[in-house]
Amino acid sequence: AQTVTQSQPEMSVQEAETVTLSCTYDTSESDYYLFWYKQPPSRQMILVIRQEAYKQQNATENRFSVNFQKAAKSFSLKISDSQLGDAAMYFCAYRSWGFGNEKLTFGTGTRLTIIP
Amino acid sequence: NAGVTQTPKFRILKIGQSMTLQCAQDMNHNYMYWYRQDPGMGLKLIYYSVGAGITDKGEVPNGYNVSRSTTEDFPLRLELAAPSQTSVYFCASSFGLAQETQYFGPGTRLLVL
Repeated sequence: AQTVTQSQPEMSVQEAETVTLSCTYDTSESDYYLFWYKQPPSRQMILVIRQEAYKQQNATENRFSVNFQKAAKSFSLKISDSQLGDAAMYFCAYRSWGFGNEKLTFGTGTRLTIIP
Repeated sequence: NAGVTQTPKFRILKIGQSMTLQCAQDMNHNYMYWYRQDPGMGLKLIYYSVGAGITDKGEVPNGYNVSRSTTEDFPLRLELAAPSQTSVYFCASSFGLAQETQYFGPGTRLLVL
């Protein structure tokens, strides 16, 4: 079974600075997907970014980028130019490739605080 | 386009009561999911459906039932509520291919006393 570990329960960053959230995972599969979801106080889960394991290029979405290291099974999220609206819980999630693998496996989350 | 909607937003149940959490999506997604999120934890899959009339168990199905009579709706039934079912429940949907991103509803907070 796959596991996802987020070792930083809480992080804080000064507004406009850069912060990196860590995520590691354990799997014996070679093809899979990785996601970062944001959960603001409203509790809705919002997709931030996703990465296909077969792609060597790191995914980027505006101020959000990932550092995907497949051999190390590491998938960190970098937030540049942090904004107050980035304050939230961030969850890393894993999904297997192919039909019959519908389950998302989540980490326990990192609470990000933005300091004005 | 409302996306994924859930009702109610919050509910208090007494032990032994039953209730149905409603979930609907208007994106014509084939796949729908129910997750629960316990305090300080990530989400865990309760049940999922790959289309109308087809459902399957996830990680933590005990104490719950689902049905999927239409593409749009995927209600979650709690029978004989227990304090261990106090949680936040999220419904999600995706188009159908395994690599598709799941889109989440706003959640239902359930308290069982």
